[in-house]
Amino acid sequence: GQNIDQPTEMTATEGAIVQINCTYQTSGFNGLFWYQQHAGEAPTFLSYNVLDGLEEKGRFSSFLSRSKGYSYLLLKELQMKDSASYLCAVRAPGRRALTFGSGTRLQVQP
Amino acid sequence: SQTIHQWPATLVQPVGSPLSLECTVEGTSNPNLYWYRQAAGRGLQLLFYSVGIGQISSEVPQNLSASRPQDRQFILSSKKLLLSDSGFYLCAWSVGEDQPQHFGDGTRLSIL
Repeated sequence: GQNIDQPTEMTATEGAIVQINCTYQTSGFNGLFWYQQHAGEAPTFLSYNVLDGLEEKGRFSSFLSRSKGYSYLLLKELQMKDSASYLCAVRAPGRRALTFGSGTRLQVQP
Repeated sequence: SQTIHQWPATLVQPVGSPLSLECTVEGTSNPNLYWYRQAAGRGLQLLFYSVGIGQISSEVPQNLSASRPQDRQFILSSKKLLLSDSGFYLCAWSVGEDQPQHFGDGTRLSIL
């Protein structure tokens, strides 16, 4: 089966750094995706990891450890507009679509 | 560049009525297409995916069906809506299975 765990909610301060963790237990692994979803809107793609290590994209970075079934999304220099849900999704071999976690709702405070 | 259009944005329907939600993609050929449903405060549940015209795979048994009459058109339907069909429906496309999926703006469906 497929199981993805993320914290339900997190709070951070504007200008700070926050790390959102994701652990997964899946029957195989073909890549992990992070999406951002503002309330009432569709998810937008942030990052993709298929090999171990850190992928950096501006203020956002994503890390993967396949041996530990673990990923995190790191957001630097937080802005108010970063308040959103962050969804972790995994693609397993033999499955054509992604399995999504329930998402982490991040609240950025002044 | 590629774009995805999904409509309507909001829909209120009575129980027992039919449903048709449409999704079209522009700027790419033979995309993988997906329908997801998201209940309030929950993750995305895959409903259907399609790798080509007329090819539909269903992930969960339910009251809904999907069709792909053209390469870049994906339709979600129901003959008789249930209260439990309420939710946020999202269409998505990708170039391939290991590529990021890109979502339409979604349809918020309320069943009364």
